[in-house]
This record gives sequence, C-alpha cells and structure tokens, in this order.
Amino acid sequence: DSGVTQTPKHLITATGQRVTLRCSPRSGDLSVYWYQQSLDQGLQFLIQYYNGEERAKGNILERFSAQQFPDLHSELNLSSLELGDSALYFCASSVTLLTSSNEQFFGPGTRLTVL
Amino acid sequence: DAKTTQPNSMESNEEEPVHLPCNHSTISGTDYIHWYRQLPSQGPEYVIHGLTSNVNNRMASLAIAEDRKSSTLILHRATLRDAAVYYCILRPSVAGGADGLTFGKGTHLIIQP
Repeated sequence: DSGVTQTPKHLITATGQRVTLRCSPRSGDLSVYWYQQSLDQGLQFLIQYYNGEERAKGNILERFSAQQFPDLHSELNLSSLELGDSALYFCASSVTLLTSSNEQFFGPGTRLTVL
Repeated sequence: DAKTTQPNSMESNEEEPVHLPCNHSTISGTDYIHWYRQLPSQGPEYVIHGLTSNVNNRMASLAIAEDRKSSTLILHRATLRDAAVYYCILRPSVAGGADGLTFGKGTHLIIQP
C-alpha cells in the first residue's frame, strides 16, 4: 500500500460525458501527478500540481483539466469523452519539488471505460 | 530528453539472480537513473535510483557503468512476486521543466517457478 488513494476504482460512462477522478496523496506529500496508461500509448505523464498550483504539463488534452485543493487532494476532470480516453488513470505523489532523487508513490489507479 | 533502451522481455528462474540492462547513451551529466516496476494490475512502484555510484537497497541493486551510458538493475534472488514490467527512467537534476516521469516500454520480466 503506497498511501495514495484513488476513487473510484472503476468508471464506465458514455462518449460525450464528463467524469471526475479523485486522488488523495500520501500524508505530507505536496506534489501530485496524474498519468494515463493505455494499451497503445503506454504510461504518459499528464499534469503535476504542487501545493495547489499547476507545476508542469505533459501530454494532457485540452478536454482534460485538474486541480489541487487546499487539503492537497486532487481531481482530474475529463470532458467530452471519446472512446480513446478509455485507459487506466494513475495518481502519484511526492514530498517536494525535487526532481532528481525523490521517488513518486503511485495509487492503484482508476480504470475508465468509455462506451 | 535522453532516452533509454531496454529489452522487451526477459525470463528467469525463481531464486536466481536477475540482471536487467538499460542503455542510455545520451545521458547528461546531471541525469539521475531511476527504476520503477509495475506489478500486474497495480500502479508503478519505485525500486531504486542512482547518479554515478552503485546503489543497494532492500529491493535491489543498481550497477552504473563508469561512463554512465548503461546501467543494470540486479534482483539478487528473484521470486514470483518480482514478475513485473521494469522501467528505467532518466530524471534531470534541475527542477526546470516537467517533473513527470517519462516511461518507455520497459522490460517485461517473467519468473519461472
């Protein structure tokens, strides 16, 4: 158990809909990351928040957005869903902004299925 | 970004050592070498990292070539629980751009009983 929690575990929805994925980082971790894992693209970094502010963006679509709240939990919002958005979405957390040596702790993921 | 090259898959027997190679010939002097693994149906898990010297922890050892163009993750005594995809990742030491991890395809390690 990494200490990172994600809800829901599974989500099934239809094309065109909007969903929200939730992540609670490990206690004390200020940085939250979101990743997408699909069969064809592998694991891809989407976005990072640090202490409530957006820190870095990866391959995140404009239809997707995220935020980190004062209690440090984060939400990933996916809108106008397409079939290709079906994937595993992972949240990870780390203590600080250090990039070189600090490890990221991953949650169990949310499996999104778009029908 | 500097890239890494790993074999697609490797097979080993239970209770034997496993050496997982990673080539990173374009590594810069300030890049750290990180290893993560992903067990079936789970999120990735940190294994080990290093810069220049060999590193040991409770999970594994990391051997880094003198020219840093390659590294090897060593599992000293593989168990069935070590069957996973292992990712070798380079991370810059400067907190400049994106801080997310860049995963390649990794090595699928199969452990035979």
